[in-house]
Amino acid sequence: QSALTQPAFVSGSPGQSITISCTGTSSDVGGYYLVSWYQRHPGKAPKLMLYDVDNRPSGVSYRFSGSKSGSTASLTISGLQSEDEADYYCASYTSTKTWVFGGGTKLTVL
Amino acid sequence: EVQLVESGGGLVKPGGSLRLSCAASGFTFTRNNLNWVRQSPGKGLEWVSSIGGTTEYISYADSVKGRFTISRDNAKNSLYLQMNSLRAEDTAIYYCAREFGFGRLCGGDCPFDSWGQGTLVTVSS
Repeated sequence: QSALTQPAFVSGSPGQSITISCTGTSSDVGGYYLVSWYQRHPGKAPKLMLYDVDNRPSGVSYRFSGSKSGSTASLTISGLQSEDEADYYCASYTSTKTWVFGGGTKLTVL
Repeated sequence: EVQLVESGGGLVKPGGSLRLSCAASGFTFTRNNLNWVRQSPGKGLEWVSSIGGTTEYISYADSVKGRFTISRDNAKNSLYLQMNSLRAEDTAIYYCAREFGFGRLCGGDCPFDSWGQGTLVTVSS
């Protein structure tokens, strides 16, 4: 199972919006509404930010939203804040009943 | 509060074995499927293995199939990963992660809502 494709780096200024894409295939992202997004600050455990494409767990800011079109899922962060600077990973359930992660995107808040 | 605490990492030679443990607390252990996820130096997250709450299913990534064995002891609220025939590319921080359904039943297809802090495995001669 090949890793999902994410841009390696994304940046934005405080208050702006950014979008991180996550591209897979019909066997994973395109075939299921089971895409999750995780935030990881250096030295910390990953934190679930979105699940099932566009659902936010309790406690996650409304500034985080998700969508999916075909085999590409997207994470949008609006009103960027300095604490959003982190690595972001998408993950998708697959047709072989396994999970596949994206390579990760480093978000820099300028 | 959900807590997952990994242990058992360390330095091992190529071809060697290691057993990781994950002690869980703060939730009804048998109700949740559990996973191992790893992150190699300079690389992204990689899902390794998954096990059902009552071991009703088990799955592995192709990269570890036949070498790693996941198990759990529900009486001890513990998850394990037996790693054999270790290779340099298995060097990583290994995290245990809980699946949570957010209102739906899980069959290995739910997101990971809680993670441990990880344990480092280094495979080197």
